[in-house]
Amino acid sequence: DVKVTQSSRYLVKRTGEKVFLECVQDMDHENMFWYRQDPGLGLRLIYFSYDVKMKEKGDIPEGYSVSREKKERFSLILESASTNQTSMYLCASSFQGWSTDTQYFGPGTRLTVL
Amino acid sequence: GQNIDQPTEMTATEGAIVQINCTYQTSGFNGLFWYQQHAGEAPTFLSYNVLDGLEEKGRFSSFLSRSKGYSYLLLKELQMKDSASYLCAVRSLREKTSYDKVIFGPGTSLSVIP
Repeated sequence: DVKVTQSSRYLVKRTGEKVFLECVQDMDHENMFWYRQDPGLGLRLIYFSYDVKMKEKGDIPEGYSVSREKKERFSLILESASTNQTSMYLCASSFQGWSTDTQYFGPGTRLTVL
Repeated sequence: GQNIDQPTEMTATEGAIVQINCTYQTSGFNGLFWYQQHAGEAPTFLSYNVLDGLEEKGRFSSFLSRSKGYSYLLLKELQMKDSASYLCAVRSLREKTSYDKVIFGPGTSLSVIP
């Protein structure tokens, strides 16, 4: 079974802090994604990566950056946390195949910025 | 742009059948996913349709009409454990790249009552 793990289930930070969210997958997937999920808005893509050291902006990249130094690990960085970044953050990975491209999700990190 | 619509909430009775609809507008359509997400948990893959028609998988079936921009998820013999959010997600070609993108709808919260 594919396993996607995230470093924390719950995190509380203060405005202005730098925040690191870590994601690790164990299935040698090429693709990795970071989403945030908010009530009524669904899952929105922040950044994604299709290879090591490669990153592409998603639909809402402002205020975030990412790092992918190793294939299995994809980190999301909030350079200076703000209260509007309080959200559920979900990491996902998928095989870079031409067919279904099913995404496997981690358990999520609920981040609260005070 | 892209737009995906789903009903916000639905309620159905244990043992019954429920149909969750999803309508979408997109260019470069390349498939539609359904995911299930229990409260506080990660989304998990249910089905994928890229061709018109009905795909059946046990108690769950998914239908796609590309010409109408319409899909539905059909759940039969409802069980209490089917209470969850159901996310429709559309895959399409990302502009100016050779990568696909997956956009998630807002989700439908299904409550199964005795």
